[in-house]
Amino acid sequence: QVQLQESGPGLVKPSETLSLTCTVSGGFIRSYYWSWIRQPAGKGLEWIGRVYTSGSTNYNPSLKSRVTMSVDTSKNQFSLKLSSVTAADTAVYYCASAIDTALDYWGQGTLVTVSS
Amino acid sequence: QSVLTQPPSASGTPGQRVTISCSGSSSNIGGNTVNWYQQLPGTAPKLLIYRNNQRPSGVPDRFSGSKSGTSASLAISGLQSEDEAEYYCAAWDDSLNGVVFGGGTKLTVL
Repeated sequence: QVQLQESGPGLVKPSETLSLTCTVSGGFIRSYYWSWIRQPAGKGLEWIGRVYTSGSTNYNPSLKSRVTMSVDTSKNQFSLKLSSVTAADTAVYYCASAIDTALDYWGQGTLVTVSS
Repeated sequence: QSVLTQPPSASGTPGQRVTISCSGSSSNIGGNTVNWYQQLPGTAPKLLIYRNNQRPSGVPDRFSGSKSGTSASLAISGLQSEDEAEYYCAAWDDSLNGVVFGGGTKLTVL
């Protein structure tokens, strides 16, 4: 069974870059899409984007100019970078795997707060 | 403002059947499959229904999904107290070239 775990700083200063890594255990299946989703406190889910094992990406148009995703199959990891963050980027960030568009395995989530 | 529209709340008593609707457009639900997620308080979302009406292993058959045109529904029969959670629909959107979520429906078991 695939398990995912997010890691990265819990506090990021405004205008800086948020960087998170998701480590996959239980097998790195090559036909998966690796996704990032976020959820501000008390609000709904927002899809940030996804990276395929080939490295191809799809990003949420509203975040596209600030988002970079990559995958490192040798380390069973994939990553998210979100630049020029503001307080509006404060949220719980989840990583998830997907076959097609169904997000079948999720990490537990990590809270990232943007504050000086 | 979410691309997919869900009622913000729903409720039912134990044993009852409850349905949650999800409305979209031709660029998302109308042309792609719908997935449903259950988020229990303080936990990560869990895939509940995929490809409109398929249940992942371990999901009780009390949960069912359907799709018609640009709308989808999640039905929960034999409602139980542990079903109290937030439910989200999602689909690929061809215009946005990404996944879109509904705003979520908070289900209360009275």
